[in-house]
Amino acid sequence: QEQLVESGGGVVQPGGSLRLSCAASGINFTYFSMNWVRQAPGKGLEWVAFILSDASNRYHADSVKGRFTISRDNSKSTLYLQMNSLRPGDTALYYCTRSYPADGSYYRRRFDAWGQGTLVTVSS
Amino acid sequence: YVLTQPPSVSVAPGQTATITCGGKNIGNKIIHWYQQKAGQAPVLVIFDNTERPAGAPERISGSNSGNTATLTISRVEAGDEADYYCQLWDGFTDHFVFGTGTKVTVL
Repeated sequence: QEQLVESGGGVVQPGGSLRLSCAASGINFTYFSMNWVRQAPGKGLEWVAFILSDASNRYHADSVKGRFTISRDNSKSTLYLQMNSLRPGDTALYYCTRSYPADGSYYRRRFDAWGQGTLVTVSS
Repeated sequence: YVLTQPPSVSVAPGQTATITCGGKNIGNKIIHWYQQKAGQAPVLVIFDNTERPAGAPERISGSNSGNTATLTISRVEAGDEADYYCQLWDGFTDHFVFGTGTKVTVL
């Protein structure tokens, strides 16, 4: 059974840091690229970051570049998002997603598996 | 790259819902669609413009041409009430992009 379980969310003050984790099972984690996607309360979806299966390449949205870093540990089937210099505008539900297919053109990559999300609230 | 969707679409049960996703020359790109019901994570319903994943209802279809991609839901049911998002990969910025989202209300 495919499962992505996010954790690490919580309430943090502006300027603070958090590290999100996503534990994967049943999805052949080491073979696929992964992403973080967030959704602010009552708002739409926003892609945050992407990492290749072997971590040889990664991309971050302009809104988080220089503050957030995506990483992974294939030996633990776990995806991470290190979030520094947090702002109130980063308040959102953060989803871990798998990109499918595993290889080939990035244009064909869609998010075919999603976790239930972990809530990050940035507030003083 | 900006993907523009209408904020809302209302449709009576049994009728057809049409959700558009506008972008410059979007017909030359590959679009995927997601359905997000209230309180749930999004679910992929169309990929590669027109393809349905296993388990997606045949009533849902996609097309893409010119400056508009379209998600069509035929014979709408109450269970189709959800937010719908289009998405693509922008090769110029190396970013994934989501559309602004459309709330479908079943009257």
